[in-house]
Amino acid sequence: GQNIDQPTEMTATEGAIVQINCTYQTSGFNGLFWYQQHAGEAPTFLSYNVLDGLEEKGRFSSFLSRSKGYSYLLLKELQMKDSASYLCAVATGGGNKLTFGTGTQLKVEL
Amino acid sequence: GAVVSQHPSWVICKSGTSVKIECRSLDFQATTMFWYRQFPKQSLMLMATSNEGSKATYEQGVEKDKFLINHASLTLSTLTVTSAHPEDSSFYICSAWRTGMGSPLHFGNGTRLTVT
Repeated sequence: GQNIDQPTEMTATEGAIVQINCTYQTSGFNGLFWYQQHAGEAPTFLSYNVLDGLEEKGRFSSFLSRSKGYSYLLLKELQMKDSASYLCAVATGGGNKLTFGTGTQLKVEL
Repeated sequence: GAVVSQHPSWVICKSGTSVKIECRSLDFQATTMFWYRQFPKQSLMLMATSNEGSKATYEQGVEKDKFLINHASLTLSTLTVTSAHPEDSSFYICSAWRTGMGSPLHFGNGTRLTVT
């Protein structure tokens, strides 16, 4: 089976940095994705990691360690609009089936 | 960029009726599409994998006779919720990959289904 864990909720201050962790145990691994989802909307793609290391994309960075089954999403210079749910997802199988974690609800405060 | 279009955005139906949701890939062909369901404050749960020209693959616990999936062309998959009940009220989202590893999974905008 697939098991993907994230913290349920996090709170951070505007302008600060926050790290959202994700651990996974899956049958197979084709890559790990991070998505942002605002309430009532579809998820939007943030980042993708298939090799170990850090991928940086503007204010967002994502890290992967395949041996540890671990990833994190780093958000810098937090803005109020970053308040959303952040979903960690792992792709497996020949069809690249994407299994999502429970999601982390991030609240950015003044 | 690639776009996945989903229709309708929201629908209200009476208990016992059927509802069809369409998912289209607008500028690319998708041999495989995925259907997810999301209940309030929960994550996306994969319901089934829609395969063009063949039967859909359903996840454990998803009733294939209740959630009918048809993938008749390379750009269209449909999900029909048959004999809908209030507990089927949810946010249904389709998605599709562009060919090639590493391309992000593109999501439709979702369909909010409310069964009264």
